[in-house]
Amino acid sequence: EAAVTQSPRNKVAVTGGKVTLSCNQTNNHNNMYWYRQDTGHGLRLIHYSYGAGSTEKGDIPDGYKASRPSQENFSLILELATPSQTSVYFCASGDGTGGARQDTQYFGPGTRLLVL
Amino acid sequence: GDSVTQTEGLVTVTEGLPVMLNCTYQTAYSDVAFFWYVQYLNEAPKLLLRSSTDNKRTEHQGFHATLHKSSSSFHLQKSSVQLSDSALYYCALSASSGSWQLIFGSGTQLTVMP
Repeated sequence: EAAVTQSPRNKVAVTGGKVTLSCNQTNNHNNMYWYRQDTGHGLRLIHYSYGAGSTEKGDIPDGYKASRPSQENFSLILELATPSQTSVYFCASGDGTGGARQDTQYFGPGTRLLVL
Repeated sequence: GDSVTQTEGLVTVTEGLPVMLNCTYQTAYSDVAFFWYVQYLNEAPKLLLRSSTDNKRTEHQGFHATLHKSSSSFHLQKSSVQLSDSALYYCALSASSGSWQLIFGSGTQLTVMP
């Protein structure tokens, strides 16, 4: 199974501060994703990437930036953190098997972010 | 746009009894794929089932689901639940042309009671 790691696992930030969440995958997957998980909303896609150097906006990109400097690494950046961004953030990578519409995604363990 | 609806936020079932978690969807595309992900407490979501074939039953770990395009549904079922099945279950759809995006439902928390 795909190995996806995230750091930090827990983060406390102050309003207006900059936060960077990191994700690393070791299975050479082209596709990577950032989600946030909130009760009642499920998993919502923030940004995704098809490969090194590419980033795409997901469903809720406002207030977030993403960076994919390499095949293995995908970062989520909160330039000016707000309390509404308090959430659990999951990174995922996808192997694209089964065709373009059947990408199996493998999730990292998540990062709990609290913005005070 | 595409959407996935899971009507039950919380389902409580007694151990040994059957369970069905509902999942319906809306999409303009006919070429679609569906997934059930399971998330145990303090763990990452992981794939439980996936299917893209109409009216074909898919099974894994005692769970099964059948995609019914006629009713736009992909319900998850198990004939006899175990305590270890307690978890958060997500239904997801992949249908956007040229994209690998998954659209998730809001999730159903399954609690199995002894």
